[in-house]
Amino acid sequence: GIQVEQSPPDLILQEGANSTLRCNFSDSVNNLQWFHQNPWGQLINLFYIPSGTKQNGRLSATTVATERYSLLYISSSQTTDSGVYFCAVRGGDTGTASKLTFGTGTRLQVML
Amino acid sequence: DAGITQSPRYKITETGRQVTLMCHQTWSHSYMFWYRQDLGHGLRLIYYSAAADITDKGEVPDGYVVSRSKTENFPLTLESATRSQTSVYFCASSPRTGRGYGYTFGSGTRLTVV
Repeated sequence: GIQVEQSPPDLILQEGANSTLRCNFSDSVNNLQWFHQNPWGQLINLFYIPSGTKQNGRLSATTVATERYSLLYISSSQTTDSGVYFCAVRGGDTGTASKLTFGTGTRLQVML
Repeated sequence: DAGITQSPRYKITETGRQVTLMCHQTWSHSYMFWYRQDLGHGLRLIYYSAAADITDKGEVPDGYVVSRSKTENFPLTLESATRSQTSVYFCASSPRTGRGYGYTFGSGTRLTVV
């Protein structure tokens, strides 16, 4: 099946700093999403971005499908950005039909 | 309330007991999914459903049973709970699974088997 790798695994930032999280995947995809799991365990959908660039406030994401990677940018980080960021993809084939495969996540801690 | 809801939020049960986790969505999405999240394993697919009365196994289906008699509901049953099934369970839905359709997750159920 498709493999998803995220880096870095852990990240500690001072409030106000910028960061880039990376997601590499091993095969073509027709669905890529970024999620934020907050400290209460909720999975919040940030972006649906199988290709191209999107922005939402301080967050933006870019997926280069031909090179099999996606980047999540966090600017002017705040303590509320803390949590785990997951990249999840669905492969372009129909095997296992609808499986969304998750990476192992980047744990972000934003300090005051 | 609109959206996807899971119940209960927290559950403690004893080994060997049957327990059912509920998932309800109000969008009439065709696809629904159950994932479990464990330290060291991330999120893994247990079962999914493409429509009412159509279900299929994911990566880790052993010990679980699902049904989908109505589009909006997708309950997950642990027939005889084991300690290894202690986990956080997430339900998700999607209108379709092709390009252009994202998945939305419920708030999760934290299950402890003692």
